[in-house]
Amino acid sequence: GAVVSQHPSWVICKSGTSVKIECRSLDFQATTMFWYRQFPKQSLMLMATSNEGSKATYEQGVEKDKFLINHASLTLSTLTVTSAHPEDSSFYICSAIKPGTTNIYQETQYFGPGTRLLVL
Amino acid sequence: QKEVEQNSGPLSVPEGAIASLNCTYSDRGSQSFFWYRQYSGKSPELIMFIYSNGDKEDGRFTAQLNKASQYVSLLIRDSQPSDSATYLCAVNIFTGGGNKLTFGTGTQLKVEL
Repeated sequence: GAVVSQHPSWVICKSGTSVKIECRSLDFQATTMFWYRQFPKQSLMLMATSNEGSKATYEQGVEKDKFLINHASLTLSTLTVTSAHPEDSSFYICSAIKPGTTNIYQETQYFGPGTRLLVL
Repeated sequence: QKEVEQNSGPLSVPEGAIASLNCTYSDRGSQSFFWYRQYSGKSPELIMFIYSNGDKEDGRFTAQLNKASQYVSLLIRDSQPSDSATYLCAVNIFTGGGNKLTFGTGTQLKVEL
């Protein structure tokens, strides 16, 4: 299988605080992980691509200084929402690419269970 | 034009029927296509993927790809109430920024008893 975990699953915080979300690949090493955000009734929106040992690549419109990504090992990527505000309340989901193919177009993303963030 | 388009539904089918979910995409350079299922409040789970034109079967699921027409579909045979979920079509697009998925907005499927 391909198991990806996230922690915490739920977080409630006060406006202005920072929140760290962890994403782990449990049974494989992932050089590339992705962070998505999903608002109610909407689809997944890619926020950034997290590459082990290098800086993350952010999608257009995503503030890199607000959403800090660290991919320090082949099994762990973290997303820190700095100075969170109510509009940051959302469902944050990470995914990881399970290696095993030489064809980049056949790479498959496996998703973590998600972290629901509520900023009061 | 959206990069990946799906009918939002809801699509209602009776239990035991075939559910047909469709998806169109705009980038002719897209190479691979994925179907994910997402239950309410949960993260997406992979159902299947397809790279080549034609049909690909996996249990009760069949993915169909037509690159010339730029559409991909998912058929669910013998639909069960547990299949009720939102089905997300995702297209793999390789850009200078790397290999990433673009998702459609999803089609909500309701399988009725």
